Amino acid sequence: AAGVIQSPRHLIKEKRETATLKCYPIPRHDTVYWYQQGPGQDPQFLISFYEKMQSDKGSIPDRFSAQQFSDYHSELNMSSLELGDSALYFCASSPRDRGHGGDTQYFGPGTRLTVL
Amino acid sequence: LAKTTQPISMDSYEGQEVNITCSHNNIATNDYITWYQQFPSQGPRFIIQGYKTKVTNEVASLFIPADRKSSTLSLPRVSLSDTAVYYCLVGDIIGTDKLIFGTGTRLQVFP
Repeated sequence: AAGVIQSPRHLIKEKRETATLKCYPIPRHDTVYWYQQGPGQDPQFLISFYEKMQSDKGSIPDRFSAQQFSDYHSELNMSSLELGDSALYFCASSPRDRGHGGDTQYFGPGTRLTVL
Repeated sequence: LAKTTQPISMDSYEGQEVNITCSHNNIATNDYITWYQQFPSQGPRFIIQGYKTKVTNEVASLFIPADRKSSTLSLPRVSLSDTAVYYCLVGDIIGTDKLIFGTGTRLQVFP
């Protein structure tokens, strides 16, 4: 079965550089979520999109922005990178199947960002 | 979203049954209980979800008492590959987008 695709899988950047992470949801999933997981930490919700509109926002720095495109893929843009941005960034998608007990989120393999 | 409390770590041996209990005293009427599993450097993976009583799938069982203030994830006959972090999440999934991960339970399975 198709899964969530994230690219790149690994990314190394210098401080103050920019980075763009991409997420391709499972086909027919219209909702995308972004999470950040620092070393030894639990995943933290950043932002989500439903039908190309931002649906919720978490602890996402102002230096980060994201959007969902017409084909439902999403991109997380990160500027002025800091050492503390080094983390695993996960994208998840769900079909927003309301009324059936909950929206299971399916996670991608993640992008490991290292800021030097 | 209800706050959850679960043990930080648990140890077990292959072939044993493992039960991980999660406390969620302020669970709301519309809240569901969902468990995710995460292996190192991988994205969390949905295990099971329930509202009340007992739910069972091919991977695990979820026991929820009548007051719903706690829940227990049961993994039958664990193997080394079950070594992972297990997260209990409680929330109004239908009305809330995000997953709020608390401190999960790190399960270590020994041979």
